[in-house]
Amino acid sequence: EIVLTQSPATLSLSPGERATLSCRASQSLSSSLAWYQRKPGQAPRLLIYDASNRASGIPARFSGSGSGTDFTLTISSLEPEDFAVYYCQQRSSWTPITFGQGTRLEIK
Amino acid sequence: EVQLVESGGGLVQPGGSLRLSCTGSGFTFDNYWMTWVRQAPGKGLEWVANIKLDGSEKYYVDSVKGRFTISRDNAKNSLYLQMNSLRAEDTAMYYCARNLYASGAWTDYWGQGVLVTVSS
Repeated sequence: EIVLTQSPATLSLSPGERATLSCRASQSLSSSLAWYQRKPGQAPRLLIYDASNRASGIPARFSGSGSGTDFTLTISSLEPEDFAVYYCQQRSSWTPITFGQGTRLEIK
Repeated sequence: EVQLVESGGGLVQPGGSLRLSCTGSGFTFDNYWMTWVRQAPGKGLEWVANIKLDGSEKYYVDSVKGRFTISRDNAKNSLYLQMNSLRAEDTAMYYCARNLYASGAWTDYWGQGVLVTVSS
């Protein structure tokens, strides 16, 4: 099973600041990684897939980068509605799909 | 508008069974892979299983293999998860999700979830 390790566990920032979230895989994924946003009481929202492709309707301030084992989700300028929990997810041939443990982005 | 509505959750004793259902609307159901994801209390998301458009391929997380069965009925726009030999650690909110078009992994629409509690 491929393990995804997200860091930091909690990130405290202010609106307008830049957020950088990390996801590290225990094995190479090529570009097979996605990012989701989860707010309390809401279903997860797909933000990024295949490492760098924004999903439909996702604002341009969200961007994904990386390949292999190291991936990054960047929010260029935080809006109040961006404070949430973020999960990365991997798919790799012949292994179960897994999620990272999440990064909580909170208002400083 | 894409909608996914789960049903069938509840309280069950260890070793018991439950069948979850998910009905999709607002999209052509048999054009998409479908997925079940769960979230235990205080924990993160856990991918459980997915199924190909025509049901010909199914994949499971190791912890449910041999106990859970994913299936679908495209004529009814429905997805199912038959859960047998339930354990306390299966207690979670279970979400039905539609996969991104032509993807077996990424999920772009989710239901609101159904709670499964395994306890004596």
